[in-house]
Amino acid sequence: GAVVSQHPSWVICKSGTSVKIECRSLDFQATTMFWYRQFPKQSLMLMATSNEGSKATYEQGVEKDKFLINHASLTLSTLTVTSAHPEDSSFYICSARDRGRNYYNEQFFGPGTRLTVL
Amino acid sequence: GDSVTQMEGPVTLSEEAFLTINCTYTATGYPSLFWYVQYPGEGLQLLLKATKADDKGSNKGFEATYRKETTSFHLEKGSVQVSDSAVYFCALSEGVGDDKIIFGKGTRLHILP
Repeated sequence: GAVVSQHPSWVICKSGTSVKIECRSLDFQATTMFWYRQFPKQSLMLMATSNEGSKATYEQGVEKDKFLINHASLTLSTLTVTSAHPEDSSFYICSARDRGRNYYNEQFFGPGTRLTVL
Repeated sequence: GDSVTQMEGPVTLSEEAFLTINCTYTATGYPSLFWYVQYPGEGLQLLLKATKADDKGSNKGFEATYRKETTSFHLEKGSVQVSDSAVYFCALSEGVGDDKIIFGKGTRLHILP
C-alpha cells in the first residue's frame, strides 16, 4: 500500500515550452502533496505544499508563476513548469501524505521525473 | 533555520561489514527524525523513524537512536548486504501537522560482494 506514481518518468523539451508532471496516489487519499526538486548530489529541496482544493503554498524563492501546482483531487496533483529554460532541468519528486495515517508526518514518495530542457 | 548534516559519500563497503552513516541536526524545537532510503530507479522510502529523545528506530537490520544531547541520529547496521546499496537520507520534521521535512544531502552506499 501507499504507492505514489509520477508521470512521465523523464521528459526532454525545448526551451520556452511548458511541461506538466503528474503525481498520483494509487491506493490512498492524499490530503497533502509536496513537490521537491533535487539537484545532482544535493538534497531534496521543498518547492511547494499543496492541499486538495486550495492554493499551493510555495517556499521562499520558488516562482509560483513559473511552477504552477494544481491539486484538483485527493489522488492527483500536477506541477507545470511554464516557459521552461535549461536552468529548470532537474529531478522533480512528489510525495503525498495518507489521509488515514497523518501521524508522524509520514510522506510517501513518487519515483521522480527527470526534466531536461534543451 | 533547521538543518540536517550527514556524511558525504560515496561509502563503499564489503558485504557483511559494519555500517555507520553519521547524521547531525539543528532544530529550534523537538523534531521527529527519519532515515529514508532511495534504491536505484525508485522513490524514497521511509526506513525508520524516532519521535523523541532516546527512541531507537529500527527496520531491516538498520538502527538509529535519537540522541538529543549530541543532536545526532546515526544510522547503523551490523552486517550489510549487496541489496543495501542505495542512497540514504537523514531528515527531520518539526511537527505532526503539515510541516515540511528537511533532508540531508544523502549518502550513497555501495556494497561489494
